[in-house]
Amino acid sequence: GAGVSQSPSNKVTEKGKDVELRCDPISGHTALYWYRQSLGQGLEFLIYFQGNSAPDKSGLPSDRFSAERTGGSVSTLTIQRTQQEDSAVYLCASSLYGANVLTFGAGSRLTVL
Amino acid sequence: DQQVKQNSPSLSVQEGRISILNCDYTNSMFDYFLWYKKYPAEGPTFLISISSIKDKNEDGRFTVFLNKSAKHLSLHIVPSQPGDSAVYFCAAKDFNKFYFGSGTKLNVKP
Repeated sequence: GAGVSQSPSNKVTEKGKDVELRCDPISGHTALYWYRQSLGQGLEFLIYFQGNSAPDKSGLPSDRFSAERTGGSVSTLTIQRTQQEDSAVYLCASSLYGANVLTFGAGSRLTVL
Repeated sequence: DQQVKQNSPSLSVQEGRISILNCDYTNSMFDYFLWYKKYPAEGPTFLISISSIKDKNEDGRFTVFLNKSAKHLSLHIVPSQPGDSAVYFCAAKDFNKFYFGSGTKLNVKP
């Protein structure tokens, strides 16, 4: 696609429910990143995928968070048993391998009630 | 521990004047620095960047300065326009990881 596409754009869920957020990167971009921005905070790194290599999961805040990337393209970020502190905008970005610039999607705003 | 810091959460500037946004970092291994601009309900968009081997990069009204000895980065916008009102994030790259600051909200008053 022309840009990084994320869905849903908005998600409201109840505490304890699981949510899935989807990212469709730019075609041909082998690197894919997930970040989150909590209210008033900067961009917090979550996870990084590069091609078929093992992902860098060092930023995932707890074992309730997981992500996968199928076929080297679309990625899904899953949050299990959501908590109120998970409320944030989740941003996906992609790039060519080794590139110095990330291209971001518009984000998925998650609200946990 | 935040490796990239933006200590000013907000900045207000009159239209036509210069806007200076600042950023400090701690990791001397960063090899590339970037500025992103973010409007509400949109993702961050790339604005300008600089390699660690340079000290200045200019693109139209936007100039980024890098002071490696001070581990300091700044973005100058001249002249500032109301459409520049947004949140600006600085970022630094170490190998394949990008680290972002907390952002500075710029308000350019007409």
